[in-house]
Amino acid sequence: ETGVTQSPTHLIKTRGQQVTLRCSSQSGHNTVSWYQQALGQGPQFIFQYYREEENGRGNFPPRFSGLQFPNYSSELNVNALELDDSALYLCASSAYIGGTGELFFGEGSRLTVL
Amino acid sequence: DQQVKQNSPSLSVQEGRISILNCDYTNSMFDYFLWYKKYPAEGPTFLISISSIKDKNEDGRFTVFLNKSAKHLSLHIVPSQPGDSAVYFCAANRISAGGTSYGKLTFGQGTILTVHP
Repeated sequence: ETGVTQSPTHLIKTRGQQVTLRCSSQSGHNTVSWYQQALGQGPQFIFQYYREEENGRGNFPPRFSGLQFPNYSSELNVNALELDDSALYLCASSAYIGGTGELFFGEGSRLTVL
Repeated sequence: DQQVKQNSPSLSVQEGRISILNCDYTNSMFDYFLWYKKYPAEGPTFLISISSIKDKNEDGRFTVFLNKSAKHLSLHIVPSQPGDSAVYFCAANRISAGGTSYGKLTFGQGTILTVHP
């Protein structure tokens, strides 16, 4: 059984640029969520995708957008990067949209914005 | 507005002793609570959970206690082992009347647990 994989693991961008982060869900999982973890903080919910549609969004501006593909993999796109976007971005998958919130996380993509 | 708080940034415990990690929440709509453990350079991994209809859930060395009236939960690890050294996150969720998750976990800031041999 393949776990959640994310790419790239590390990247550096400059303010104003755009970034795309990628995530492959755990085998058999059709729901994917993205979280932002700033240094010293807990993960913060960005949004969730189910059957290729956004299904819930946290307090993040529209420049944070996402996609889910038919194979349940997902992308997180961030436009017009700001310094405060520097964080660890975590992708998590779950077997179905129902359930109690037990998520399987990838190791994350660490984004540094200069 | 921090709806889930872990007020102890760190905890140091001797091997074999009990580790108690605490978590407080403010939103009474939360009805399901989870603990995740995170090692450096890895994603968080699910540890144990508890529904608001229970006050205790046990899994091996790990026990979670929930005090709904105080909006407080705690994770007990007995006995603590050096391999338990990690960051522990408390998370809260809302489950709809139909039993489906609203899909958003609200996490605390985390507590760094260090278990000394």
